[in-house]
Amino acid sequence: ETGVTQSPTHLIKTRGQQVTLRCSSQSGHNTVSWYQQALGQGPQFIFQYYREEENGRGNFPPRFSGLQFPNYSSELNVNALELDDSALYLCASSLEGRQAYGYTFGSGTRLTVV
Amino acid sequence: SQQGEEDPQALSIQEGENATMNCSYKTSINNLQWYRQNSGRGLVHLILIRSNEREKHSGRLRVTLDTSKKSSSLLITASRAADTASYFCATRGQGAQKLVFGQGTRLTINP
Repeated sequence: ETGVTQSPTHLIKTRGQQVTLRCSSQSGHNTVSWYQQALGQGPQFIFQYYREEENGRGNFPPRFSGLQFPNYSSELNVNALELDDSALYLCASSLEGRQAYGYTFGSGTRLTVV
Repeated sequence: SQQGEEDPQALSIQEGENATMNCSYKTSINNLQWYRQNSGRGLVHLILIRSNEREKHSGRLRVTLDTSKKSSSLLITASRAADTASYFCATRGQGAQKLVFGQGTRLTINP
């Protein structure tokens, strides 16, 4: 059973640029969600994808967008990067309908915007 | 914004002692989960307790849930240096897709 893998592990971007982060879900999981974790804070929910459609979104602007592919892998895209976007971005997979189980998180992508 | 608050924000104990962390939340939940995070990397799921459960055990971990007080506690018994990490509680609301995390407790186990 494979876990959740994220790429890249670290990334440095300039303000105003665009970035794409990638996530491969754990085998057998059909739902993927993304979280942003600022330094010293708990993760905050960005959005969730199920069956390739967004089915839940947190308080993040539209320049945060995503995709889920038929193999349940996912991308997080952020346009017009701002300095405050610097954070650890975490991907989590789960099996929808199995709320008795927790989420499997990846190791994250640390994004630095300069 | 964070729903939960964790207490204490930081805890430092000697190896072998027990560590207790508390979590409070604001709205009704379907379940509450505890996660561990080492050095700002990925989160590791520790234990999940449903809203109709009051206590749950997993190895050296004991979790309690009091829905009337909207609070939970995580007890780690016989702590080890490897338990040094940040611990987060996260709630999942009824019919909600997201987990809402607290700000975490930073636990340090001194050898």
